[in-house]
Amino acid sequence: QVQLQESGPGLVKPSETLSLTCTVSGGSIGSYYWSWIRQPPGKGLEWLGYVYYTGSTNYNPSLKGRVTISIDTSKNQFSLNLISVTATDTAIYYCARSSSPYNFYYMDVWGKGATVIVSS
Amino acid sequence: EIVLTQSPATLSSSPGERATLSCRASQSVSTYLAWYQQKPGQAPRLLISDASNRATGIPARFSGSGSGTDFTLTISSLEPEDFAVYYCQQRSNWVLTFGGGTKVEIK
Repeated sequence: QVQLQESGPGLVKPSETLSLTCTVSGGSIGSYYWSWIRQPPGKGLEWLGYVYYTGSTNYNPSLKGRVTISIDTSKNQFSLNLISVTATDTAIYYCARSSSPYNFYYMDVWGKGATVIVSS
Repeated sequence: EIVLTQSPATLSSSPGERATLSCRASQSVSTYLAWYQQKPGQAPRLLISDASNRATGIPARFSGSGSGTDFTLTISSLEPEDFAVYYCQQRSNWVLTFGGGTKVEIK
């Protein structure tokens, strides 16, 4: 079955860029919506945005233009870039797949999560 | 932005009991609502989509209901593995938002 695995630096300095990659295995990255969600320590979930397999994107306005999500279908990967990070961006970052190939509304396959700490 | 408010924040129950979790939206989301379960150290798991449709492999003791602004997740008889945090989630105006969560703990 489809599995997702996040990878990237676990420590990022304030004002720098947080970059994570999600590798999709056991299936093709085509035909679904692929999202990033984060969870600060001890807190709830925040959806950051999605990329469709065509490359189209949609982001949470709360990130005020700091987020970019891209896709590389040849590598079966999609990526998250978050610029100008501060300590409030410290969180577990999850990648996830939409439960339907026709919309992004819900997510039924999740990665295990990657912990990212923002600190100098 | 639509805000989802979950109640109670914590529900203390015993195995075998019925659990009723609430999610209220600040404005109507029709039936575009999902429920997720999250255990410590794990990613969330989709339980229910479109307010009442169980996801693949989810036991029948989990059921969802509601529409508009008021939604309920019911666990008919709590199993030991059901003690976890539950989140509701909606989609509106091309943005997904989650509720603050309800922790179901063992009494």
